[in-house]
Amino acid sequence: AQSVTQLGSHVSVSEGALVLLRCNYSSSVPPYLFWYVQYPNQGLQLLLKYTSAATLVKGINGFEAEFKKSETSFHLTKPSAHMSDAAEYFCAVSVNSASKIIFGSGTRLSIRP
Amino acid sequence: SAVISQKPSRDICQRGTSLTIQCQVDSQVTMMFWYRQQPGQSLTLIATANQGSEATYESGFVIDKFPISRPNLTFSTLTVSNMSPEDSSIYLCSALEVIPGITEAFFGQGTRLTVV
Repeated sequence: AQSVTQLGSHVSVSEGALVLLRCNYSSSVPPYLFWYVQYPNQGLQLLLKYTSAATLVKGINGFEAEFKKSETSFHLTKPSAHMSDAAEYFCAVSVNSASKIIFGSGTRLSIRP
Repeated sequence: SAVISQKPSRDICQRGTSLTIQCQVDSQVTMMFWYRQQPGQSLTLIATANQGSEATYESGFVIDKFPISRPNLTFSTLTVSNMSPEDSSIYLCSALEVIPGITEAFFGQGTRLTVV
């Protein structure tokens, strides 16, 4: 069975600083990996996804993530945090393009002025 | 991209009653799913809604408590039966659109359920 583990339930960074949200996956087959963002009282929005093409994936709002098979990781980064980035971020995994998506526990990102 | 509408958006229900949540997608989609998001927590998959057959439930979820229907490729319902305060959560519908090279999952805005 596939799963993802998000390290750190809460991350706080200063505005303009690097954002790094960690995600490690477990899968018996090459995974499809996703990052979703959920703003307060809103639905889920897809930030980016890895589907076995390029290992460095660029998403919306300046976010990107790198798939590292050797480390079973798919960490999310953004060079410079903005106040509007404050939200809950979820890493997720599926085994193929037509399969259920399993979510990690989530990381709440706070931005300090 | 598919647009998902869920109804109701929120409800307050008495314990022991049942609530049916509707999920309508504006286009035909390959797969539909139902998730639960308890307060301050992540999304937990309840089941895969299969068109024309019984839903596939995840461990810990049963049909008697969460009956699901999917009569066609654009519509599904989830019923939360015999509710208790522990059922207070956000319930989200998701649709998977499988187009070669462009597979993407979409989510509804959710139904915020409070059981009193």
